[in-house]
Amino acid sequence: GAGVSQSPSNKVTEKGKDVELRCDPISGHTALYWYRQSLGQGLEFLIYFQGNSAPDKSGLPSDRFSAERTGGSVSTLTIQRTQQEDSAVYLCASTSGVGTEAFFGQGTRLTVV
Amino acid sequence: RKEVEQDPGPFNVPEGATVAFNCTYSNSASQSFFWYRQDCRKEPKLLMSVYSSGNEDGRFTAQLNRASQYISLLIRDSKLSDSATYLCVVNGGNYQLIWGAGTKLIIKP
Repeated sequence: GAGVSQSPSNKVTEKGKDVELRCDPISGHTALYWYRQSLGQGLEFLIYFQGNSAPDKSGLPSDRFSAERTGGSVSTLTIQRTQQEDSAVYLCASTSGVGTEAFFGQGTRLTVV
Repeated sequence: RKEVEQDPGPFNVPEGATVAFNCTYSNSASQSFFWYRQDCRKEPKLLMSVYSSGNEDGRFTAQLNRASQYISLLIRDSKLSDSATYLCVVNGGNYQLIWGAGTKLIIKP
């Protein structure tokens, strides 16, 4: 596609359920990033993938959060046993190389009730 | 000290005025710098890259001061549509991007 695509755009889930968020980066982009943003707050880094290197998971807030990137393209962020504090917008971005512009998807708005 | 710091604002500015804000960074090895704009409930979008020699795009001017480790954004003749949050981002030569928390700008008629 022409841009970064995320799905679903909105997700309402019950506390304790697992959710999967999907990101389809721009074709050919080697780096993919996941961020979380609560209302009125800045971007909180979660994880990034670069090519075949081991992902940088240093931003994942707990072991309930995990992510994978299959075939160097699509990525899935999984949150297990969701909690109310997980409610936020989850943004995905991709870049084509070091020092290049990051393009964002429109985000997934997650609400845990 | 945060790696990238911005004044959160809000900056309340009358339409037509000039406004400037800075973003400081702590890693002297940082190599790439950008300004992004984020509208309410939208994703960030690139406003402009920041080059060592400075760069201008219409009413917007970005500057880099390596000695003092900050980048700046100047907006001239501000418009109501300039109201947004402005994020700076710094890249340290690897793939990690360090984001500021953003400066909120409100342009008033």
